[in-house]
Amino acid sequence: GAGVSQSPSNKVTEKGKDVELRCDPISGHTALYWYRQSLGQGLEFLIYFQGNSAPDKSGLPSDRFSAERTGGSVSTLTIQRTQQEDSAVYLCASQVLNTEAFFGQGTRLTVV
Amino acid sequence: QQPVQSPQAVILREGEDAVINCSSSKALYSVHWYRQKHGEAPVFLMILLKGGEQMRHEKISASFNEKKQQSSLYLTASQLSYSGTYFCGTLGSNDYKLSFGAGTTVTVRA
Repeated sequence: GAGVSQSPSNKVTEKGKDVELRCDPISGHTALYWYRQSLGQGLEFLIYFQGNSAPDKSGLPSDRFSAERTGGSVSTLTIQRTQQEDSAVYLCASQVLNTEAFFGQGTRLTVV
Repeated sequence: QQPVQSPQAVILREGEDAVINCSSSKALYSVHWYRQKHGEAPVFLMILLKGGEQMRHEKISASFNEKKQQSSLYLTASQLSYSGTYFCGTLGSNDYKLSFGAGTTVTVRA
């Protein structure tokens, strides 16, 4: 595709439910990031995939959060047993190492 | 660790200048600058590489002091379109992971 694609664009879920957020990076981009942005806040790093290396999960806030990247392409961020504090915009970005990072439009998650 | 940005916010009149600073506690390979407008995704402005030259995007320029692990973004003769939140992103020399500061909100008024 022409850019980074994220789905869904909006997700409303009930507290305690699991959600899956999807990211389709730009073809050929070896690096993929997930960030979380709460209202009016900065970009909180969650997880980083680079090629076939083990992902850097140091930013995941709890063990309810997990992510995988299949075939070096599509990535899924899973949040289990969602809490109200998980409400935020989740942004995915991809890049070729140390070049411009391209961001998707994000998934706005609302936990009610 | 996240880089530290200052100031948190700045209000300008059209034509005025501003400087946004970004500092890191770790050795850096490069510094990225992005701008995010309300409700939109961050958009790349420029990248400064270790040993590289000062970069420019329209009337926005930036510098990178490798020894001090600091970068500055210069908004010159600001335009209304410069309004938004500016983020610096840093790539560490050891981890190559792009980490962002908390952002600086710039408001340019007519």
